[in-house]
Amino acid sequence: DTGVSQDPRHKITKRGQNVTFRCDPISEHNRLYWYRQTLGQGPEFLTYFQNEAQLEKSRLLSDRFSAERPKGSFSTLEIQRTEQGDSAMYLCASSSLAGLDEQYFGPGTRLTVT
Amino acid sequence: QKEVEQDPGPLSVPEGAIVSLNCTYSNSAFQYFMWYRQYSRKGPELLMYTYSSGNKEDGRFTAQVDKSSKYISLFIRDSQPSDSATYLCAMDLTGANNLFFGTGTRLTVIP
Repeated sequence: DTGVSQDPRHKITKRGQNVTFRCDPISEHNRLYWYRQTLGQGPEFLTYFQNEAQLEKSRLLSDRFSAERPKGSFSTLEIQRTEQGDSAMYLCASSSLAGLDEQYFGPGTRLTVT
Repeated sequence: QKEVEQDPGPLSVPEGAIVSLNCTYSNSAFQYFMWYRQYSRKGPELLMYTYSSGNKEDGRFTAQVDKSSKYISLFIRDSQPSDSATYLCAMDLTGANNLFFGTGTRLTVIP
């Protein structure tokens, strides 16, 4: 399968715990994006990378959130001290430099904070 | 006011019907317009991608953009039960790096 993959698919955690999600983009894609989607809403942009550089962060991305893409391939999104409001689907997407606007999404990681 | 407005539905149609899905937007700087299909508990799947005004056809799907009215549409001909999903419109500013999504319209095609 050469699509975007995400791990884990589901995560249940208790409030206050830290969680980390992983995204593996399509192999030739330079850009990687993170979005958050809550029930009944469209995805909302969080941050994006071009290769290993994090070039933009949304105001939605509080200090408790950090994302990395250390070698310009896979990316991780960490949420520290989780809150119930963090419960959502976290989506990763990737695109090539030639087709920046054609973003291809992974299946998402569904986070539930109890 | 949200930058992209989309009627959340739900919308139910009989199999074989023509479906019309719409979005309006407020930012005239949007240049790229996309439609994504999202099945329950899955990630969005890119269906159609258009640049500026005009029509684009791909099989049973036609995307239409009217920049003067800030209005985009997706038409599905001969709808099938497998088309049952949430349809999300998305837009991008030239040179920007994130997509602005509508809330999605949930479509059910009844056999």
